[in-house]
Amino acid sequence: DAGVIQSPRHEVTEMGQEVTLRCKPISGHDYLFWYRQTMMRGLELLIYFNNNVPIDDSGMPEDRFSAKMPNASFSTLKIQPSEPRDSAVYFCASSLLLAGGLTGELFFGEGSRLTVL
Amino acid sequence: DAKTTQPNSMESNEEEPVHLPCNHSTISGTDYIHWYRQLPSQGPEYVIHGLTSNVNNRMASLAIAEDRKSSTLILHRATLRDAAVYYCILRDYTGANSKLTFGKGITLSVRP
Repeated sequence: DAGVIQSPRHEVTEMGQEVTLRCKPISGHDYLFWYRQTMMRGLELLIYFNNNVPIDDSGMPEDRFSAKMPNASFSTLKIQPSEPRDSAVYFCASSLLLAGGLTGELFFGEGSRLTVL
Repeated sequence: DAKTTQPNSMESNEEEPVHLPCNHSTISGTDYIHWYRQLPSQGPEYVIHGLTSNVNNRMASLAIAEDRKSSTLILHRATLRDAAVYYCILRDYTGANSKLTFGKGITLSVRP
């Protein structure tokens, strides 16, 4: 398996522009998480899905952020309009629920580094 | 959410054992203890997890206190490649609360 795939790896945009980050989870995983990481705030959970349904979005900073998971193999995180304070590395992770011998570990993508000028 | 607390940083010498502590005094009976690490410029990666008994794998060992209110990640022989931020988090194995929250973690430095 190729692991969790995120795109783009790097994005530089100007304030006010729309940004869309994409994630393809590992096939068969039923949980998907979006995290944001900055030096000041560390690794923050933004939202997570179970079986494509958003379960908890309390970490989404404000209405400018939205996330969707239209099917089991694809999710997007959208920022509109973007602001300089949104500059961060955004990680997507997927996992299976702990069951039997499964570890329930999170598998992270390589991240999307966003710079908003 | 059940919380974990870790020291901010720790230093070790290469090829010596390292013990990374984590406190989770509000852990519930259905929480697994997970450890992840994040190498520079990479996403976090899974290290080990456990419920009640001590656990070993090829990367590390996990020692869990009898009351489960604390745990220790043990790297038996630290290498320079083990320099990373190590996170201790709790995950409910029933799936009732899968809101996995990472704290600041502990930054491990390894001296040659």
